[in-house]
Parts: sequence; structure tokens; C-alpha cells
Amino acid sequence: DSGVTQTPKHLITATGQRVTLRCSPRSGDLSVYWYQQSLDQGLQFLIHYYNGEERAKGNILERFSAQQFPDLHSELNLSSLELGDSALYFCASSEGRVGSKPYEQYFGPGTRLTVT
Amino acid sequence: GENVEQHPSTLSVQEGDSAVIKCTYSDSASNYFPWYKQELGKRPQLIIDIRSNVGEKKDQRIAVTLNKTAKHFSLHITETQPEDSAVYFCAAPEGQAGTALIFGKGTTLSVSS
Repeated sequence: DSGVTQTPKHLITATGQRVTLRCSPRSGDLSVYWYQQSLDQGLQFLIHYYNGEERAKGNILERFSAQQFPDLHSELNLSSLELGDSALYFCASSEGRVGSKPYEQYFGPGTRLTVT
Repeated sequence: GENVEQHPSTLSVQEGDSAVIKCTYSDSASNYFPWYKQELGKRPQLIIDIRSNVGEKKDQRIAVTLNKTAKHFSLHITETQPEDSAVYFCAAPEGQAGTALIFGKGTTLSVSS
């Protein structure tokens, strides 16, 4: 168990709908990262938040957005869903503190999204 | 941005043999290289990492080597066991410290007994 939690584990929804995925980082970690894993694209970085602020964006679609709350949990919002959005969505967390190991990222169990 | 290439995509070995997975990266400023193991339907799990101030790091049956000049790093698993069967991913950081990891496409390792 990495200490990173994600809910829900599975999500089945229809095209055009909107869903919210939730992530709680390990205790003490300030950084949260979201990744998408699909069969043909591997693990793709979506977005990084540090202590409530957006730090970096990867291949995140405009239909997707995220935020990190004062208690450091994060939510990934996916809207106008398409069949191609079906994937595993992982969040990872790291300390992100000055002087700490900057890159060790620990992954949550993931949310499997199926768009029908 | 960073680009990570990983080879081979699949690897089959007999129990007790060694397995080697290789990755190359493009950004010469990268200084941290983790390896993740992912079993079917589960989360990627950090198994070992190396920083650019060392050339090799070992943890029991697994080791990672780094060649900064050639910009490649490798995962070595010795005395493989069936429970080593999984997908292995290498990664390198994109941009500044604490930002994204860019992953290789993964290597599916199968260990047969």
C-alpha cells in the first residue's frame, strides 16, 4: 500500500457525461500528479499540483481540469466524455519539499473509467 | 521536452535467468531515473531509482546502471522468479525538479518456471 488513495475504483458512464475522480496523497506529501494509462499510449502525464497551485501541464485535454484543495486532496474533472477517454487514471504524490528527494512518486490504485 | 525510449517491449526468460531492460533519454539535464513495476490491474510500484551522481545501485536481486555520457540506463534482474512477471516502466523527469515523469512504453517480462 503506497498510502495514496483514489476513489472510485471503477466508473462507467456514457459519452457526453462529466465525472470527477478523487485522490488523497500520502500524509505529508504536497505534490499530486495525474496520469492517464491507456493500452496504446502507456502512462501519460496530465497535470501536477503543488500545495494547491498548478505547477505543470502535460497532454491534458481542454475538457479535463483539476484542482488541489487546502487539505491537499485533488480532483480530476473530465467532461464531454468520449469513448477514447476510457482508461486507467492514476494519481501519484511526492514530498515536493525543498531539500527532499524531488522526484520519488508513489502511485494510488487508480480509477478505471469506462465510457460507453 | 524529455523523450524516453525503452527496449525490449517483451521479454521472456526461464526462472533463474537474468533479465535486462534498457532505456535511453534525451535531456542531458535529467538527473533522476526511477523504475516501476506494474502487475496486471494494479498501480505502478517504485522498485528502484538512481540519481546522476552514481553509476550503479543495487537492491537484492535488482540493480540499475546509468551511463550519463550515452544517456541510457538499464534495469538488471538476477535469479528471476515467476513473481517477477509484470510490466516494467522506466522514467525520467520532465523539466524542473518535482514535475512530471516521462515514462517509457514498458516491457512485459514473463518468467516461466
